[in-house]
Amino acid sequence: AQSVTQLDSQVPVFEEAPVELRCNYSSSVSVYLFWYVQYPNQGLQLLLKYLSGSTLVKGINGFEAEFNKSQTSFHLRKPSVHISDTAEYFCAVSDYSGYSTLTFGKGTMLLVSP
Amino acid sequence: EAQVTQNPRYLITVTGKKLTVTCSQNMNHEYMSWYRQDPGLGLRQIYYSMNVEVTDKGDVPEGYKVSRKEKRNFPLILESPSPNQTSLYFCASRVRTGELFFGEGSRLTVL
Repeated sequence: AQSVTQLDSQVPVFEEAPVELRCNYSSSVSVYLFWYVQYPNQGLQLLLKYLSGSTLVKGINGFEAEFNKSQTSFHLRKPSVHISDTAEYFCAVSDYSGYSTLTFGKGTMLLVSP
Repeated sequence: EAQVTQNPRYLITVTGKKLTVTCSQNMNHEYMSWYRQDPGLGLRQIYYSMNVEVTDKGDVPEGYKVSRKEKRNFPLILESPSPNQTSLYFCASRVRTGELFFGEGSRLTVL
């Protein structure tokens, strides 16, 4: 079984500042990793995913994440945030065994202020 | 357009009155799943289905039923809703590589 820990429940940041949202996972096997974003009153949409290959993954809206196997982390970063990035962000993991369960972290609320 | 469609989007009901939340996807995905989202708890899986007539329990299945008679549909049934089932529900479908496509959510209130 796998688990995901998002270390911060809320991250306040000023507009145009850089941000990092932290995600650590545990699994006894190789994994796929995902970041999803949920804007207010909407469903979840995929920001980016790591399946294999390069450990630096680029996603939509200028976000990127780096897979670090030794530290079992998949932190999400953006060099300069906008007000419109205010949303809840979820890290998720699944293992390689086909249709295994996708396990989500509890989410990090990113609050961008002017 | 590829999408997962849930209905109703909003529902207020009373304890014990059976209800069904429908879910349909047009991407020919074999795997479908239901999650509930509660503040501070993130998303928790209720049930999932790997194919037609194949369903299995997730982390929080108590009080829920599902069926998968067709590939595109995966309804969630609350036979006797209780107030602790007040939540935001998401249906999702996925490809084998794990990426989930979500519906827009159904907000359920049980009085």
